[in-house]
Amino acid sequence: LAKTTQPISMDSYEGQEVNITCSHNNIATNDYITWYQQFPSQGPRFIIQGYKTKVTNEVASLFIPADRKSSTLSLPRVSLSDTAVYYCLVGDIPNAGNMLTFGGGTRLMVKP
Amino acid sequence: EPEVTQTPSHQVTQMGQEVILRCVPISNHLYFYWYRQILGQKVEFLVSFYNNEISEKSEIFDDQFSVERPDGSNFTLKIRSTKLEDSAMYFCASSPVLAGEQYFGPGTRLTVT
Repeated sequence: LAKTTQPISMDSYEGQEVNITCSHNNIATNDYITWYQQFPSQGPRFIIQGYKTKVTNEVASLFIPADRKSSTLSLPRVSLSDTAVYYCLVGDIPNAGNMLTFGGGTRLMVKP
Repeated sequence: EPEVTQTPSHQVTQMGQEVILRCVPISNHLYFYWYRQILGQKVEFLVSFYNNEISEKSEIFDDQFSVERPDGSNFTLKIRSTKLEDSAMYFCASSPVLAGEQYFGPGTRLTVT
């Protein structure tokens, strides 16, 4: 599984766009990039997954450059309720027994 | 929206005792998992389960641990002889297809004294 590096913490204010970048220099051809969100005392929650270029859903966008060595999770107009830990996961998910390998994540604090 | 449920929400047990943590995955899901998170640490994979057998397990999942799907709805994690270091939040998850997103339950906080 590719090692990921993301900032330990970030601060933002309500209404701002937040971009969290994850580095994965050793990403393999078969690897997908997946982001999960975890609120305190809750289980992680899937946000978005992509392989290349841009993926958008109702919650977030995921930008992946052509070399796929990094990715950026973009949260538009955050609110206080977006305060959580955000995990970037990279792996050959279909062939890895489905296990998810979580790193330390990025602790996002949204302030009023 | 369907969700994974877990019981109990908090379990306190004495060292050496057996505990069973229970999970009800989402009904049409086929893949089931257990993870744990020691306070302040990373979420760690324990085991995955498909078609009534373990498909993958981590080094943490030693002989003290076992999983079972005793009926069509429940998925359980048993720890035979708990240790202090087993104190953690245990999350159950399920997914509908291989490589599908995993849906996590709210967790069971296990405290071993």
